[in-house]
Amino acid sequence: KQEVTQIPAALSVPEGENLVLNCSFTDSAIYNLQWFRQDPGKGLTSLLLIQSSQREQTSGRLNASLDKSSGRSTLYIAASQPGDSATYLCASPQGGSEKLVFGKGTKLTVNP
Amino acid sequence: DAGITQSPRHKVTETGTPVTLRCHQTENHRYMYWYRQDPGHGLRLIHYSYGVKDTDKGEVSDGYSVSRSKTEDFLLTLESATSSQTSVYFCAISEGQYAGYTFGSGTRLTVV
Repeated sequence: KQEVTQIPAALSVPEGENLVLNCSFTDSAIYNLQWFRQDPGKGLTSLLLIQSSQREQTSGRLNASLDKSSGRSTLYIAASQPGDSATYLCASPQGGSEKLVFGKGTKLTVNP
Repeated sequence: DAGITQSPRHKVTETGTPVTLRCHQTENHRYMYWYRQDPGHGLRLIHYSYGVKDTDKGEVSDGYSVSRSKTEDFLLTLESATSSQTSVYFCAISEGQYAGYTFGSGTRLTVV
C-alpha cells in the first residue's frame, strides 16, 4: 500500500530564500507524482506532475525532482516570496490503481 | 477550477438528515473522485468512479454512497449525517493513471 510522507509539517523562511520541500513514498513502482498548492480555505491547485520516466519538471521558480529508487521527491522553490505562503501537498497513485494517495502537506510561511 | 464545479459551496445541516453533494465536470474525464479533508488526517478518499455506473469504495466510505448516471456528474450522499462527517469535501477528476488530477473548489459541510 502506498504511503506518502512530508517532512517538515511546517516551515518558515525569510523572503528571498531558496528552499526545498520533501516528499517520500513507499511504493517505488509509481506512475507519477504530483505537487499541489493549497491556500487557506481554498481548493488544490496543481503545480507540477512528474511521470515515472522523468527525473524533474520545471515551472517558473518551481522545480520538482523524482527519484524512484530512493522513494523521494523534492519541490525546489527559488527566490521565495510572501505570495508563496501556502500548504504544499504531494500525491501519488496507489500502486496499480487510479486512487491518489496524499501526504499531509508542508505549511510554508515566507516572511517579508 | 476550470472544468469542474462543486455545489453547494457551503452547507449546514442537522444530524440525521440526508445530504447530497454534487460534482460536475465539463472535461469528459473518465475518473471522478470524492475526498474529505480534515485537520490531522489530510485528504482521504471516500469513493471514486471509473465510468458511468461504475464506482468503488475508498478508505473512508462508511456512511457515504455515490452515484454516477452521467459522465459529467458524480453525486456524494450522506445517508444520515453525523457530526463526524463535518468536513471539507473535494471532488477531483482525472483521465487515468498517467494523467494528473484536477480538483474542485470544495464544499464545506457542517453537521450540527
